[in-house]
Amino acid sequence: QVQLVQSGPELKKPGASVKVSCKASGYKFTRFTMSWVRQAPGQGLEWMGWINTNTGAPTYAQGFTGRFVFSLDPSVNTTYLQITSLKAEDTAVYYCAKDLIYGSGSYLFDHWGQGALVTVSS
Amino acid sequence: EIVMTQSPATLSVSPGERATLSCRASQSVSRNLAWYQQKLGQAPRLLISGASTRATGIPARFSGSGSGTEFTLTISSLQSEDFAVYYCQQYNNWPPDLTFGGGTKVQIK
Repeated sequence: QVQLVQSGPELKKPGASVKVSCKASGYKFTRFTMSWVRQAPGQGLEWMGWINTNTGAPTYAQGFTGRFVFSLDPSVNTTYLQITSLKAEDTAVYYCAKDLIYGSGSYLFDHWGQGALVTVSS
Repeated sequence: EIVMTQSPATLSVSPGERATLSCRASQSVSRNLAWYQQKLGQAPRLLISGASTRATGIPARFSGSGSGTEFTLTISSLQSEDFAVYYCQQYNNWPPDLTFGGGTKVQIK
């Protein structure tokens, strides 16, 4: 069965960096794009963008350029989200989410990771 | 950016009753509208895509309707496991444009 397993919670100081991982199993990793979605405490969902798992090319949503980097290692079926120069407002749960449709992407998500809590505090 | 507005923010319903959730888009999204359910401490789950197509394994008591700017999610007879937050999401394929509504919390009356 399809599974997305994310790395554990992180506590970071402002200005530091963090790298969240998302390991996929149960399907052909390079055939489905992977998106990242942010959820601040008690808030709704924000789509951060997606990565083409076949080419490694990322696409960032508005508001998630500059400090946010998507990458992947297809040899271990894993995608990564790195955030640099962390701010208190980056405190959130970060989800990876697999696209429903094979290929270029439908922006519908049929499987999600369990979420990774990143807390930024001095 | 297309803004999605959900109403009401909170809906109090008794088990067995019908729940009707609304989602409005700031401009037409055709039928490119999905609904997700999120329970406390869990990741979202896809319920509906294409405004009205149930995802795999989703019970028939969940139904979606609408097109353009006005959409509705109906839960015909609420079960205990349905109390959760529901989000609508619009999606346009190119350029990539995806936004979620603010959510409707369905709670026990």
